[in-house]
Amino acid sequence: DIQMTQSPSSLSASVGDRVTITCRATQDIRDNLNWYQQKPGRAPKLLIYDVSNLDTGVPSRFSGSGSGTDFTVTISSLQPEDIATYYCQQYENLPLTFGGGTKVEMK
Amino acid sequence: QVQLVQSGSELRKPGASVKVSCRASGYSFSSYSMNWVRQAPGQGLEWMGWINTKTGNPTYAQGFTGRFVFSLDTSVSTAYLEISSLKAEDTAIYYCARDSALSKVTIIEYWGQGTLVTVSS
Repeated sequence: DIQMTQSPSSLSASVGDRVTITCRATQDIRDNLNWYQQKPGRAPKLLIYDVSNLDTGVPSRFSGSGSGTDFTVTISSLQPEDIATYYCQQYENLPLTFGGGTKVEMK
Repeated sequence: QVQLVQSGSELRKPGASVKVSCRASGYSFSSYSMNWVRQAPGQGLEWMGWINTKTGNPTYAQGFTGRFVFSLDTSVSTAYLEISSLKAEDTAIYYCARDSALSKVTIIEYWGQGTLVTVSS
């Protein structure tokens, strides 16, 4: 199975800060990488698909990049509504696997 | 708009069974595959497997074979997850989640609201 490792596991930032979350795969997954946002007590929601494509309605302050084994999602200016846990997910091979999550909190 | 509405929370004793439903609306049910994802309390997301909604063929991830069964009732656009011989460690929120593809799984575009299954004596 392809293991997905996210870092950091949690972070605390202020409104307006630039936030970057990384995700590393144990093997080349090309561009088969998605990101999900899960707010407390809610179901996850697709944020970014295929590394860098924002899902419909996702604010442009979110961006994704990377290829192969190393990927990042960046929030250019953190807003209170971005408080959530973020998960990466690969679909290069079955089983689909998720990273362990990065919890973003407000400082 | 696409909606996945799951059945409500369940409390079961160890050894019992539970069946979670996921009713889809707003799209052609048999045109997109359905994933099932588990989230244990305070933990991350774990993919359980998927079902081809056109053929009914299920695929289970390792660790979800034997006691877990995915099924469909296409006449009512509903997917089901049945878990038998429940154990305390099955306590979790179970999500159905529609994929962007049919004959494979790739991008999970839409999620149900989740069903909490609690296993306790």
